Order: sequence, then C-alpha cells, then structure tokens
Amino acid sequence: ETGVTQSPTHLIKTRGQQVTLRCSSQSGHNTVSWYQQALGQGPQFIFQYYREEENGRGNFPPRFSGLQFPNYSSELNVNALELDDSALYLCASSPRTGGYYEQYFGPGTRLTVT
Amino acid sequence: DQQVKQNSPSLSVQEGRISILNCDYTNSMFDYFLWYKKYPAEGPTFLISISSIKDKNEDGRFTVFLNKSAKHLSLHIVPSQPGDSAVYFCAASPDTGFQKLVFGTGTRLLVSP
Repeated sequence: ETGVTQSPTHLIKTRGQQVTLRCSSQSGHNTVSWYQQALGQGPQFIFQYYREEENGRGNFPPRFSGLQFPNYSSELNVNALELDDSALYLCASSPRTGGYYEQYFGPGTRLTVT
Repeated sequence: DQQVKQNSPSLSVQEGRISILNCDYTNSMFDYFLWYKKYPAEGPTFLISISSIKDKNEDGRFTVFLNKSAKHLSLHIVPSQPGDSAVYFCAASPDTGFQKLVFGTGTRLLVSP
C-alpha cells in the first residue's frame, strides 16, 4: 500500500510569483486536506477536497486554491506569494469525508519565499 | 486564537520511565481528539485518538486520557523508549461535517538511554 506522496520536496520562489504543489493520496482514500505549518507552529488547515470539490476551508485568503483530480490526487496553488507563505505544506488523505477518520500525512513540501 | 494549546515546548524523560504530554483546548465543540508524532523531514504520523464520549483509550504503550470538564487531554507513554523521541502534536476535530484538524504547537519529547 503506497502512502501519501508530495512533490517537490523543496522549493524556492520569489515574492509575487505563483507556485503549484502536488499530492498523491494513499490508495483507497478519496479525501485530501492541505495544511500549512510555519516554523515552530502546528499545522493549520487550509482546505479539504472530496469528489473534486472543495468541501471545507480554513482561514486562508482566496489566493490559496486547489484542485482534486478523478484519481484523488490534488494540487495546491498559491498566487502572489508573500514572505509569510514560507512554510512546510502538508497534504493529508483519509478514506472518506465526514465522521472521524484519521488523516494520513505526506512528508510535506518546504516552500521558501524570498 | 489558539484553540488547542500545548504549554510545554519540550519534555525530557529517561528510558523506561513514563512520559506524560499535556494538551488543553478551549472550544467545547471539539468532539474528537488525536495525537500525532512527527520526526524531522517526515509528515505527522497518527498515534492514537479518542472520542469525546470516552475518557480513556489505550493502544499498547500509549494511553490517552480526556477530561472534558477541564478541557484537558494527556498522552501517557509507558515505558518510554529512545525511538519515541519526536515532536508530539495534539489535534482536535470540531463537528463541522468535514474533517478539519486543529493542532497545538507541539511538544518535543527526548527520551534518553
């Protein structure tokens, strides 16, 4: 059984640029969530996708957007990058939405904005 | 607004002794709680969870206790092993109809031989 994978591992971007991060969910999981973890903080919920639709969102501006594909993989897009967007971005998958199912995390993508 | 708090940034324990990690929350709408462990350069790994209708859940060396009246939960690791050295995150899930985890800031556990 393949776990959650994310690409790239590391990324350096300049302020104002756009970035796309990718995630492949664990086999059999149809729900994907994205989290941002700033240095010294716990992960913060960005949004969740189920059946290719966003079905929940945290306190992040619209320049954070996402997609989920028919194979349940997902992308996180961030436009107009700001210095504070520098963080570890974590993708998590779970077998369904609603109810209480443990989320399984990938290793993350470290984004640095200069 | 930090709804889930882990007030101890670090904890050092000797191998074989008990490790107790604490977590406080403020939102009474949380009804599911989880602990995750994180090693450097890896994503958080699910450890153990507890529903708000229970006060204890045990899985091998790991036990989570929930005190709803105090809005407090703790993770006990007995006996502690050097491989348990990691950052431990407490997380809570509100009943929103979708899975949103609210995390604490983490406690770094160091288990020395």
